[in-house]
Amino acid sequence: NAGVTQTPKFRILKIGQSMTLQCTQDMNHNYMYWYRQDPGMGLKLIYYSVGAGITDKGEVPNGYNVSRSTTEDFPLRLELAAPSQTSVYFCASSPPAAGGISPLHFGNGTRLTVT
Amino acid sequence: GENVEQHPSTLSVQEGDSAVIKCTYSDSASNYFPWYKQELGKGPQLIIDIRSNVGEKKDQRIAVTLNKTAKHFSLHITETQPEDSAVYFCAAISSRGSQGNLIFGKGTKLSVKP
Repeated sequence: NAGVTQTPKFRILKIGQSMTLQCTQDMNHNYMYWYRQDPGMGLKLIYYSVGAGITDKGEVPNGYNVSRSTTEDFPLRLELAAPSQTSVYFCASSPPAAGGISPLHFGNGTRLTVT
Repeated sequence: GENVEQHPSTLSVQEGDSAVIKCTYSDSASNYFPWYKQELGKGPQLIIDIRSNVGEKKDQRIAVTLNKTAKHFSLHITETQPEDSAVYFCAAISSRGSQGNLIFGKGTKLSVKP
């Protein structure tokens, strides 16, 4: 299994441009997540999905959109890029588990710079 | 909501020494506490986790302890090696929340000097 695959690895955007960060997983996990990581700030949840067709906001959803049309894919959309969205973005997935909590499997991230 | 504090932010040890990283949480309903290791240029990877019905868990050189009364949990790495150098994150989730409510600490950068 490839696990969680994110593309692209790096991207530079101009203010106001839009882009989609791609994420796909081949582990048949129900749950998928998008986090952003800023220096010294840990990981903040942007959006998550408990299955195809279902998405929900996390802690920092403003400026982002997601969709989940298949179990495998969970793209993150930035419509009007702003410098505050400069960050490293991580996609993750997890299987359903007893008690509703299971470990997250992360991709290797997309480093985005908005100038 | 849940808040997770992690200390120290940086930790430097000599190879062979032990390293301890501590986290505190605020929500007494939290019941799952994972630890992730992040190497440079990669995503975080789970190294050990503990649930609230257990006080300690070990996996070779790594152990995690949980004190529910004091609401803190710690990661212990013994006989450190240079390949242990990385950023370590603790996290907590409340049973009241959904799977999406995993809250992370801000991370500890561990450096192991040969």
